[in-house]
Amino acid sequence: GQSLEQPSEVTAVEGAIVQINCTYQTSGFYGLSWYQQHDGGAPTFLSYNGLDGLEETGRFSSFLSRSDSYGYLLLQELQMKDSASYFCAVRHTGGFKTIFGAGTRLFVKA
Amino acid sequence: EAQVTQNPRYLITVTGKKLTVTCSQNMNHEYMSWYRQDPGLGLRQIYYSMNVEVTDKGDVPEGYKVSRKEKRNFPLILESPSPNQTSLYFCASSPGSSGANVLTFGAGSRLTVL
Repeated sequence: GQSLEQPSEVTAVEGAIVQINCTYQTSGFYGLSWYQQHDGGAPTFLSYNGLDGLEETGRFSSFLSRSDSYGYLLLQELQMKDSASYFCAVRHTGGFKTIFGAGTRLFVKA
Repeated sequence: EAQVTQNPRYLITVTGKKLTVTCSQNMNHEYMSWYRQDPGLGLRQIYYSMNVEVTDKGDVPEGYKVSRKEKRNFPLILESPSPNQTSLYFCASSPGSSGANVLTFGAGSRLTVL
């Protein structure tokens, strides 16, 4: 089937670096996206990898390796406000359906 | 302000009473889509539209209908709601029908079906 797998929860301390992995069992997609969702809020776009490699946007970086069917979101200099759920997502080339992972809940501790 | 607007934000209804959740975007986006979010299941796509009069099923289309008569609007219709459609619904749009998956989401509509 077509699926994206992420860890359900990750806990880290303020100021640290955390990596959230996303492994997928699908093919024919445009690229890997990441979204952040705070409790009670809507998902917001963070990062997109259309090609293999690393994309950096401020404290957030995202990586994609199509050969390994793997991607990750890297959050540096963690802040309390980074406590949220993070979702990876792909859009298929054959029909443009969008699939999301189940999400990773990040807890940032002081 | 560029945004996706959904209404209503909260709704409690009864089984079988038809309802429509509206979605409108002011960014001239081609791609629009609906998702439902349930605990532990992430976001699951219900329907999507690549442009006016072009719609297709996502992963969980049963019990829902959509239409795309204008580029800016993409309403979600529940003809005969059932309790298993109690969920948090999000509408989203993105600039192109292909390529980068960069979605802008509405604030969400929490639906309860009794």
